Parts: sequence; structure tokens; C-alpha cells
Amino acid sequence: QSVLTQPPSVSAAPGQKVTISCAGSSSNIGKNYVSWYQQLPGTAPKLLIYENNKRPSGIPDRFTGSKSGTSATLGITGLQTGDEADYYCGTWDSSLSAELFGGGTKLTVL
Amino acid sequence: QLQLQESGPGLVKPSETLSLTCTISRGSINTSSYYWGWIRQPPGKGLEWIGGIYYSGSTYYNPSLQSRVTISVDTSKKQFFLNLNSLTAADTAVYYCARLSIVEMATHHDFWGQGILVTVSS
Repeated sequence: QSVLTQPPSVSAAPGQKVTISCAGSSSNIGKNYVSWYQQLPGTAPKLLIYENNKRPSGIPDRFTGSKSGTSATLGITGLQTGDEADYYCGTWDSSLSAELFGGGTKLTVL
Repeated sequence: QLQLQESGPGLVKPSETLSLTCTISRGSINTSSYYWGWIRQPPGKGLEWIGGIYYSGSTYYNPSLQSRVTISVDTSKKQFFLNLNSLTAADTAVYYCARLSIVEMATHHDFWGQGILVTVSS
């Protein structure tokens, strides 16, 4: 069981918007920045969001990140079938001195 | 663009030690603010951070694996290594190497290898 809690699955129709939550605690999300990763089937994870809300070069602005207190949220607008993937949040835990990942959320675009 | 490539055995016996290598190309290993990390993913499950190393040799480890893990680096070869001992079937996973940016309170893995499947079985 992960220290960072994500919903196992979310779904929405093409063109719609979806949000994925990541709940942590004061020693991790409450104190440090959050990153988000997309893992398409059979591939390595890919960085989507870093430092809560920044996008690496090449990531479309349909993907947004936010943080409030000990929780973070990934938002995806204008859903496409190509967005079907597993999504993971990540952050540093200052008490453990270790990086943490959420359990992952499977996005289905219906 | 920075590239990372894992190499090592695909099959290891229980109780033995897993040794993996990550080779960096198209970039430097001696870069400030970047650690070099290992992450694994059991089949059908989520990501688990194993640990990371700075080019100077400073390390961080996942507390749940710390007693069995050693990560080392050879800057002359632009390689870093994972040793995981006392293997069981639960260590069967795809193992990824990645670059870990650590700047004050901000961490993220920005470049990943393709991963290598390691099966622990007799």
C-alpha cells in the first residue's frame, strides 16, 4: 500500500475533462513539490508535470497540475484515446529521505 | 537528448544477488543537482523507488529495501549500478534507471531508460 493515495481508476469520454487526485501527508506533499508521470502500455514512465504545475518541453497544456496542502491534482482536458494510460504522482518524503510514488491511476477514455 | 540504457541478466535464482548497470549517453553524469536513480515495477503493479546516487557517491535508499540494496557509480564509464541481494520471487519486476533532479524541495525523474525485466526463479 502506497503512502501516496490515488484512485485506482478514472474514466471519461473523448473531449471531456478528468482529474486525478494524489493524497499524502505533511512530511511529503505538504512539504515538497509534486511530479506526475504518464505510463503508456508497455513503455517507461514519462514526466508530465514537475514542481506541482510545470510542464516539460513538448507536453501540451491540456495537462495541468496543482497542489493544496497535503494533496495534489492532475487535470487533463480535451481527452483523447491516446491519453489512455496509467498516471503516477511522485514526491520526496522528508521524514524517510526517499522518493515516493502513488499507487497509480488507470485512465480509460470511453 | 540524454539517453539511459539498463543492462543485466533477465533471470536470477532465488537467494542470489541481482546486478544491473545503467549506461548514460548523450550527456554527462557529473552534473550538479542530478542524482541517478533506480525504480522498479512488478508485473501489473505500480512504481517503487529503490534509491539514487550522486556522481560523488552520495546515496539515498528506500528504507524498505535499504538492507539489501547497494547503488554505486563509475563516472569514468558514465555508468551507475544496482546490487540487490537475497532475492525472492517478490523482486521480479521491470527495473528502470532514471535521472533524478533534486533541487531543494523539488524532485522529479526527467529521463528514463526503457527498462529491463528481471525474473527471479529457480
